[in-house]
Amino acid sequence: NAGVMQNPRHLVRRRGQEARLRCSPMKGHSHVYWYRQLPEEGLKFMVYLQKENIIDESGMPKERFSAEFPKEGPSILRIQQVVRGDSAAYFCASSGGSHQPQHFGDGTRLSIL
Amino acid sequence: KQEVTQIPAALSVPEGENLVLNCSFTDSAIYNLQWFRQDPGKGLTSLLLIQSSQREQTSGRLNASLDKSSGRSTLYIAASQPGDSATYLCAVNLGAGNMLTFGGGTRLMVKP
Repeated sequence: NAGVMQNPRHLVRRRGQEARLRCSPMKGHSHVYWYRQLPEEGLKFMVYLQKENIIDESGMPKERFSAEFPKEGPSILRIQQVVRGDSAAYFCASSGGSHQPQHFGDGTRLSIL
Repeated sequence: KQEVTQIPAALSVPEGENLVLNCSFTDSAIYNLQWFRQDPGKGLTSLLLIQSSQREQTSGRLNASLDKSSGRSTLYIAASQPGDSATYLCAVNLGAGNMLTFGGGTRLMVKP
């Protein structure tokens, strides 16, 4: 499967725990984007990364959230000390370059108990 | 700040009808506009991408148009089928930062 791969598909955490969401871009893509879809809301941009660099994190909450895209391995979206309001579907997209079409994964659905 | 609006929010049509989904955006200085389809519990499937210099794009029964000056795009679906039932999202790319700004989507139901 050459598409964008996200895992896990579903993640359940208790309040205060950490959540780690992984994204492997399409083969040959070096640009990764994370979006969040809250219940009954549209998708909102969070962060844009290239290998080892954060290009734009203007949509990411200032606290508890971080993202990385290391030289080797998948991109990771990390949420520390999760709260109920973090429950959402988190989508990753990748592209072959800036302004190229973005291809989306199936998302990770995060539920906070 | 770019805002993207999609009308209608929901649409139900009988099979075989031709239909138009609307998308409007407030900042006309876009780099491109993309139409996506989202099935329940799934990710987004890219349908069409229109560059700012283009007026329309076609793929099979789908045709998307772009009028930058008026801040509007339409997605035309010909001869609709039950398999077209999904949420359709439009998203604009302003260029700087490369982020996509999404509309709220149109939930389409095509009844057999």
